Amino acid sequence: GAGVSQTPSNKVTEKGKYVELRCDPISGHTALYWYRQSLGQGPEFLIYFQGTGAADDSGLPNDRFFAVRPEGSVSTLKIQRTERGDSAVYLCASSQAGYNEQFFGPGTRLTVL
Amino acid sequence: EDQVTQSPEALRLQEGESSSLNCSYTVSGLRGLFWYRQDPGKGPEFLFTLYSAGEEKEKERLKATLTKKESFLHITAPKPEDSATYLCAVRSGGGADGLTFGKGTHLIIQP
Repeated sequence: GAGVSQTPSNKVTEKGKYVELRCDPISGHTALYWYRQSLGQGPEFLIYFQGTGAADDSGLPNDRFFAVRPEGSVSTLKIQRTERGDSAVYLCASSQAGYNEQFFGPGTRLTVL
Repeated sequence: EDQVTQSPEALRLQEGESSSLNCSYTVSGLRGLFWYRQDPGKGPEFLFTLYSAGEEKEKERLKATLTKKESFLHITAPKPEDSATYLCAVRSGGGADGLTFGKGTHLIIQP
């Protein structure tokens, strides 16, 4: 079956602009996670959804970052007033209810000029 | 705070030369230790989950083992296609629900 998909694959924006990154999880997966990966580092947890609600947003770095999952499937990560330090690969993962294993998408590479 | 340290940062082997990658962890109540493979420009690919000390899992040329403080990823007779970054991550009983990752080991297998 289809894996996790993310769009766009690349996004270039200017400092101060607003961006939206989309994640489409594996069909039937109720848990969805967002991570951020900087060059040479492992992924860093941002937020976790169980169904439609954000069960854990402790990894969001500040209030410029926000994520939604209105129908319990597709999720959008929103970043306001982007800064150059936000440049990274944003990864989405999903997992089945009751299972620990998370399956990752290909990521969106965000570049803030 | 959960911590994961991987060593070495980089490893270059000849084809067929077996070795091991190390993952040391500190976690409040382990709910799972995970190994992933990541190729350049791609998302991490799931390999193994380990839950308790003494557990082992195998897949082709890879075998993962777990103790109370560390995990090893053993690579037997590697091939060039095994070249990738190998990431270790933990999920704990306390704190965030997401995974805490190490920085990875960049493995290069030379033909």
